Amino acid sequence: DGGITQSPKYLFRKEGQNVTLSCEQNLNHDAMYWYRQDPGQGLRLIYYSQIVNDFQKGDIAEGYSVSREKKESFPLTVTSAQKNPTAFYLCASSVLAGGTYNEQFFGPGTRLTVL
Amino acid sequence: GEDVEQSLFLSVREGDSSVINCTYTDSSSTYLYWYKQEPGAGLQLLTYIFSNMDMKQDQRLTVLLNKKDKHLSLRIADTQTGDSAIYFCAESNTNAGKSTFGDGTTLTVKP
Repeated sequence: DGGITQSPKYLFRKEGQNVTLSCEQNLNHDAMYWYRQDPGQGLRLIYYSQIVNDFQKGDIAEGYSVSREKKESFPLTVTSAQKNPTAFYLCASSVLAGGTYNEQFFGPGTRLTVL
Repeated sequence: GEDVEQSLFLSVREGDSSVINCTYTDSSSTYLYWYKQEPGAGLQLLTYIFSNMDMKQDQRLTVLLNKKDKHLSLRIADTQTGDSAIYFCAESNTNAGKSTFGDGTTLTVKP
């Protein structure tokens, strides 16, 4: 089965700790994305990557970091510098790095709670 | 930058039609999308429309695009309780390897 997976589904961390959220896809997609969703709000783009070993900041990159060492993996680290990290995090991927058609396939999300 | 706006809430009775509206600012948008998000889950693409079309129909879903006014709508016929979800409008264009999403419209279907 092809798809995009995120783990874990729920994550709890103490304030001041860094935490890494996993995102893996076996769709052979070039592009991958990380979004943050707060209750009752839309998606805000954190980082995206159009190709291996390259990534760009989105609208709210401060306090987050990413890597793209492999095509199928795009982990997101929430650092202690992120002021309000409790949120629902969604990873997505799409076929083309460029071009116009940009259907995104989403993972099931990770709900991060910082205590 | 690009902006996509939607009304936040819509409530309908089961069996009625639902119409969710979206406006966007980017005149170079080439594809426009509607995604559905069920509680606690990721988004799934419902349908999309290419910018040179003005209508697309897919079973109970009808998408209307008014490119002049930069207005997109999604009509769901015979709305069911299982249609209760958040619906996101999004656009993409030639300059980006990404989409711009609206804030989502929460559709509540009452029995």
